[in-house]
Amino acid sequence: NAGVTQTPKFRILKIGQSMTLQCTQDMNHNYMYWYRQDPGMGLKLIYYSVGAGITDKGEVPNGYNVSRSTTEDFPLRLELAAPSQTSVYFCASSPRGDTQYFGPGTRLTVL
Amino acid sequence: GENVEQHPSTLSVQEGDSAVIKCTYSDSASNYFPWYKQELGKRPQLIIDIRSNVGEKKDQRIAVTLNKTAKHFSLHITETQPEDSAVYFCAARREWGADGLTFGKGTHLIIQP
Repeated sequence: NAGVTQTPKFRILKIGQSMTLQCTQDMNHNYMYWYRQDPGMGLKLIYYSVGAGITDKGEVPNGYNVSRSTTEDFPLRLELAAPSQTSVYFCASSPRGDTQYFGPGTRLTVL
Repeated sequence: GENVEQHPSTLSVQEGDSAVIKCTYSDSASNYFPWYKQELGKRPQLIIDIRSNVGEKKDQRIAVTLNKTAKHFSLHITETQPEDSAVYFCAARREWGADGLTFGKGTHLIIQP
């Protein structure tokens, strides 16, 4: 099993550009999450999903959108990127909603 | 919503000594408390977790204690080694809820040779 994979690893965006961060898991987990981690800080929940077709907002959803059309994939969309979205983004999955397994992260810089 | 406070932000100990990191939480409905270790540039890795029906859990040199009445839990690392140097995060969540973890801000553990 590859576990949780994320692409790209690094990305630089200009203000106002859009992009999609990809997340895929091959463990057949129902629960998936997106977090952001700012320098020297803990992770903050952006969006989560309890299964295909079901998503909900976390603590910091503004400026982001998600979709969950399959069990495996949970992409995060950034519209109109802003410098405040410079961060490291982690995707995670969980079989029951408790223990979470994290992907390697995407380091995003918005200039 | 849940709020998790973590102390200290930096902890420096001599190799072989013990390290203790403490967290408090605000939501009395929280009953799942994991600890993650994150090395520089890497993903968070689960090292131990505890549920509210248990007061203490051990795994070799690592232990976690939970006091539900006081709403705090602690990570204990004994016989520290250089490879224990990392940032450690505590987290909390309601186990029957669907939402994600609420994390503390992290503790940078430095093991001095």
